[in-house]
Amino acid sequence: TQLLEQSPQFLSIQEGENLTVYCNSSSVFSSLQWYRQEPGEGPVLLVTVVTGGEVKKLKRLTFQFGDARKDSSLHITAAQPGDTGLYLCAGAGNSGGSNYKLTFGKGTLLTVNP
Amino acid sequence: SAVISQKPSRDICQRGTSLTIQCQVDSQVTMMFWYRQQPGQSLTLIATANQGSEATYESGFVIDKFPISRPNLTFSTLTVSNMSPEDSSIYLCSVRGAGESYTFGSGTRLTVV
Repeated sequence: TQLLEQSPQFLSIQEGENLTVYCNSSSVFSSLQWYRQEPGEGPVLLVTVVTGGEVKKLKRLTFQFGDARKDSSLHITAAQPGDTGLYLCAGAGNSGGSNYKLTFGKGTLLTVNP
Repeated sequence: SAVISQKPSRDICQRGTSLTIQCQVDSQVTMMFWYRQQPGQSLTLIATANQGSEATYESGFVIDKFPISRPNLTFSTLTVSNMSPEDSSIYLCSVRGAGESYTFGSGTRLTVV
């Protein structure tokens, strides 16, 4: 069983602060994805990282994939109330497993207070 | 990316009854999945819906409880059978697109009373 440990589980910060969410595993993944989910909606894909050491930026969000493709981080700069939501990491496939099934972390519930 | 229409969006059902959830995609997709998200929890994969053959279920999920149909490449249904309050959850369908991108439906919020 592939496990993705995501931390922190809950995060409440003030507008303008920076934050980092971590996603760690003992397994190697072919890719790792970050999603954001709002109440009453399905998860929406933010980014997919594929290459070890890869860094991707999406406006104030920076995503990093570890060199060994076992861990990833999401950093948000100058958080805004609109960033509030459940952030989920998900790994796709590893050696011996299906390349197509996603394994999700437990999620980080982020609240940004104005 | 694909657009998914999932319905119903929510339902309240009596224990012992069954509910069928539909997932319609606006394009043909090979890979389609069904997930469960219990209150305050992350997503757990129930099964992979295979077109033209039986679904592939994950550990802890069985066909008798969660029968799945996939009659073509744009449509699938998940039935939650003989429901109990423990089945109260959000059920989501998902499809895999190009470049390892996955799109999710907006989910079906099921409450069993």
